[in-house]
Amino acid sequence: DQQVKQNSPSLSVQEGRISILNCDYTNSMFDYFLWYKKYPAEGPTFLISISSIKDKNEDGRFTVFLNKSAKHLSLHIVPSQPGDSAVYFCAASVSGSARQLTFGSGTQLTVLP
Amino acid sequence: GAGVSQSPSNKVTEKGKDVELRCDPISGHTALYWYRQSLGQGLEFLIYFQGNSAPDKSGLPSDRFSAERTGGSVSTLTIQRTQQEDSAVYLCASSLKTFSGNTIYFGEGSWLTVV
Repeated sequence: DQQVKQNSPSLSVQEGRISILNCDYTNSMFDYFLWYKKYPAEGPTFLISISSIKDKNEDGRFTVFLNKSAKHLSLHIVPSQPGDSAVYFCAASVSGSARQLTFGSGTQLTVLP
Repeated sequence: GAGVSQSPSNKVTEKGKDVELRCDPISGHTALYWYRQSLGQGLEFLIYFQGNSAPDKSGLPSDRFSAERTGGSVSTLTIQRTQQEDSAVYLCASSLKTFSGNTIYFGEGSWLTVV
């Protein structure tokens, strides 16, 4: 039973355009959501997070949106750059506990120059 | 180095053999986690160590899996009598005392292939 789902295994976007990566979850107990970025042969690195008390968090070119009623979050990258090409993992946790950190299967983003 | 270090980076083993994967966390990090990623799957939690507390082993998939952390630092994940479904990337991560998503640091992973 996948509690965090990333239904698009891959996404291609032209440089300069917006990238939108989507994530759905089923566990209503999740109250903290994160996005990690992973380059080949490297471990995932933290990108951005959002608490369930917010519906938007912005950090430079990256914005995460949370729709609690739909149990959906998305990551927007504007403008997309070739260096953004990586696998993006959505993750969710309960009360900030790493023991409850549940990851999605990832979306491979390719930004075309 | 300053990051989480894992070894070996790649391991090919025959079905039925035992393997040991090592993780050296960032100095001063009291929390250590093991995850694995099978092909097409998300990162799956395996085990969590926090200081001197009893580890949270709730994610270990079977009794063939065990992990220990000696001296509050280096950790070893052991898989006994490996099976083909154990093939995955095994990721170690560490963080300061309590988890906050932006302070969890992952190693590069150990790629395990069971043939």
